[in-house]
Amino acid sequence: EAQVTQNPRYLITVTGKKLTVTCSQNMNHEYMSWYRQDPGLGLRQIYYSMNVEVTDKGDVPEGYKVSRKEKRNFPLILESPSPNQTSLYFCASSPALGLAGGEQYFGPGTRLTVT
Amino acid sequence: GENVEQHPSTLSVQEGDSAVIKCTYSDSASNYFPWYKQELGKGPQLIIDIRSNVGEKKDQRIAVTLNKTAKHFSLHITETQPEDSAVYFCAARSVNTGFQKLVFGTGTRLLVSP
Repeated sequence: EAQVTQNPRYLITVTGKKLTVTCSQNMNHEYMSWYRQDPGLGLRQIYYSMNVEVTDKGDVPEGYKVSRKEKRNFPLILESPSPNQTSLYFCASSPALGLAGGEQYFGPGTRLTVT
Repeated sequence: GENVEQHPSTLSVQEGDSAVIKCTYSDSASNYFPWYKQELGKGPQLIIDIRSNVGEKKDQRIAVTLNKTAKHFSLHITETQPEDSAVYFCAARSVNTGFQKLVFGTGTRLLVSP
């Protein structure tokens, strides 16, 4: 089954404790992206990657890191989480974007609480 | 950069009624406008999209219209059913970002009452 998986689905952590949220897709998509969803703010892009070893900042990259060492994986790293990073996080993937378009497929989400 | 505004934030309708959600965008170079449906506890899922060379697109009970001059697009759901209850997001993508970014609206929570 074609899908985007994220782990963990739920995470409660404390300020400053490094964490990684994993994202994996099995559709051989070039493009992957991370979003955070907050009430009243919709989905805001954190980072995206157009292919292996190619990443770029989205609209809200502060406090986050990503890497794309393999095509299928795109982990989100919070080196020193803070309470304002409490949010619902989504990973998405799509075939290469561009004039041809490309539907984004979203993972099920990771609800992160930082105390 | 691109900015997408979405209204209303909540919409309650009776089963069988129509629902309309409206979005405006700021970047005249945007050319792709998808709509996503997010059910409780799940990630958003594409339900329909439209490109700038088309004014309207339909898929069964849902339709999207685009007015490039006014820079707004709308989602129309006819004969609503309780399973249409969800959060709906519009989005836009622009050539000015190399087509690499989708900018989302803030979402509309649709509630369809039986």
